[in-house]
Amino acid sequence: EAGVTQFPSHSVIEKGQTVTLRCDPISGHDNLYWYRRVMGKEIKFLLHFVKESKQDESGMPNNRFLAERTGGTYSTLKVQPAELEDSGVYFCASSPSSIYNEQFFGPGTRLTVL
Amino acid sequence: AQRVTQPEKLLSVFKGAPVELKCNYSYSGSPELFWYVQYSRQRLQLLLRHISRESIKGFTADLNKGETSFHLKKPFAQEEDSAMYYCALKGGSARQLTFGSGTQLTVLP
Repeated sequence: EAGVTQFPSHSVIEKGQTVTLRCDPISGHDNLYWYRRVMGKEIKFLLHFVKESKQDESGMPNNRFLAERTGGTYSTLKVQPAELEDSGVYFCASSPSSIYNEQFFGPGTRLTVL
Repeated sequence: AQRVTQPEKLLSVFKGAPVELKCNYSYSGSPELFWYVQYSRQRLQLLLRHISRESIKGFTADLNKGETSFHLKKPFAQEEDSAMYYCALKGGSARQLTFGSGTQLTVLP
């Protein structure tokens, strides 16, 4: 079974440009999470989907970030316009319905904003 | 607010030596604590969780509510244990994880 997949693995863009990151969770997992690790800092929660609904987006840094989860399947995270401080590694994780279930992480997308 | 602190960014030990990675947390209720590990060129994966009370790859961690700690221990480190280790907390009804800043463990031959 394929795990959580993320695309692209790396992205290098210039300040002011737009980037869209994609996450495909494990099939059947209702919960999908986005996290990010900026340089030298801890991994921080961005938001949580349950199926297609945003359950908690308290970690989204500002309105330049927009997340969607079409039909409760894959999710996209768009940054528009990108700023230098957005550079980091963006992780996606998914888990089944129960609160006690493990979150399975994707390999991450490394975003560099120049 | 909930917070996880890992005081050591880097930790080096020799093969066969005991290792302890420290984790302290701040949370007003009863949290669920985890250790995640990321080996070189691999994805983040769950190592163990306190409610399971099990040993994985020789590692154990005990939740000490009095000291608000969840230190990860292994009596005899192996070179393949070299990795980045993250302590994480999940509190109350929230589903998301709060991570510490991580400890890079290097086991020297």
